[in-house]
Amino acid sequence: DAGITQSPRYKITETGRQVTLMCHQTWSHSYMFWYRQDLGHGLRLIYYSAAADITDKGEVPDGYVVSRSKTENFPLTLESATRSQTSVYFCASSLAGVSVEQFFGPGTRLTVL
Amino acid sequence: QQQVKQSPQSLIVQKGGISIINCAYENTAFDYFPWYQQFPGKGPALLIAIRPDVSEKKEGRFTISFNKSAKQFSLHIMDSQPGDSATYFCAASKPGNEKLTFGTGTRLTIIP
Repeated sequence: DAGITQSPRYKITETGRQVTLMCHQTWSHSYMFWYRQDLGHGLRLIYYSAAADITDKGEVPDGYVVSRSKTENFPLTLESATRSQTSVYFCASSLAGVSVEQFFGPGTRLTVL
Repeated sequence: QQQVKQSPQSLIVQKGGISIINCAYENTAFDYFPWYQQFPGKGPALLIAIRPDVSEKKEGRFTISFNKSAKQFSLHIMDSQPGDSATYFCAASKPGNEKLTFGTGTRLTIIP
């Protein structure tokens, strides 16, 4: 089924562990984004990518790493998870040059103990 | 630095009433102002958007009002229904820039 998917949907981990959140889209959208959603802060951009092998920092990049070797995948890695990274993470994509509309995945709820 | 300020944080409206959510922005370079709707357990989805060359855009029961001089825009939901209960985010972007700057969100509850 076409669209944007995220995995896992729920993840519990411990402080200091490495965690990778996956994002996959089937539209061949050039742009992909990672946001975190926290009460009182709304949606904050972590990293984004304009195309394969092109990534850039957003508003809150510290503690996160991204890569984009293929257009359809945009994994987000927490190299050493901290409790402050407990959040709901959303991946999104958009088709550059057509509109700025971003299409969001269903989210991953991450809890760091 | 919060470039897009949204209020209120939460809102309760009776069924059939008008729901109004406000946003203010600081950067005059912004030229695209969308509203996203998010239901519990789901990702946000585009609801309606406006560009500053018009002062109002209406789609069904949803209207964006835009005041360029005041750097404010608002979402009006007419005849609010329980199915409209969701979190609403305003956002803004600059020309040629795919990035969106989001407001902090408004949790809207429509009561019977």
